[in-house]
Amino acid sequence: SYVLTQAPSVSVAPGQTARITCGGNNIGGKSVHWYQQRPGQAPVMVVYDDAKRPSGIPERFSGSNSGNTATLTINRVEAGDEADYYCQVWDTSTDHPVVFGGGTTLIVL
Amino acid sequence: QVQLQESGPGLVKPSQTLSLTCSVSGGSISSGGYYWSWIRQHPGMGLEWIGYIFYSGTTYYNPSLKSRVTISADTSKNQFSLKLISVTAADTAVYYCARETAAATRWFDPWGRGTLVTVSS
Repeated sequence: SYVLTQAPSVSVAPGQTARITCGGNNIGGKSVHWYQQRPGQAPVMVVYDDAKRPSGIPERFSGSNSGNTATLTINRVEAGDEADYYCQVWDTSTDHPVVFGGGTTLIVL
Repeated sequence: QVQLQESGPGLVKPSQTLSLTCSVSGGSISSGGYYWSWIRQHPGMGLEWIGYIFYSGTTYYNPSLKSRVTISADTSKNQFSLKLISVTAADTAVYYCARETAAATRWFDPWGRGTLVTVSS
């Protein structure tokens, strides 16, 4: 099945920019969705279709996708952004079409 | 807006059946345009997709769980359910229900709050 690779953690100081990556074979040819999961809470979608933002999600959150890497960018990071972030794709080439990355913990220093 | 809420026993004995229900409010599961899904998260781990049901009754399951999983829907109650048979400690997890868009690119939004199911004697 298709594999998505995420770094275990990313650290950033408040006010700086966090970049969380999701690697996959030719992931640029797929649509990538991103979820934020704060401790003890359910996941919340923050970006869909690579770069679209659901209503209610701050403009500080943006996404991009090209080649073998998709990126979730969080500008002007706040303490409340500390969470686990998961990427996800829909891969119709296998019998396991829903694929999640392993997740990246964003640590706000 | 659509909200989902999981319910069911928090403790299941090994070899028995895990049964959970997801109640949907603010929208109808019969309206089409969406799949209704179950996803689980083992303690301290990532997300594992279990499967979905469409309003027509069509289901699709994770191949690794397919032999033990059944997802069904009760449109009169606007609920859908998960049954997982022959559970072991490895099935201990937080179980989430979620709405999955039927668009070509398929994302999950919103999610229920999740319910922890522990498999233990």
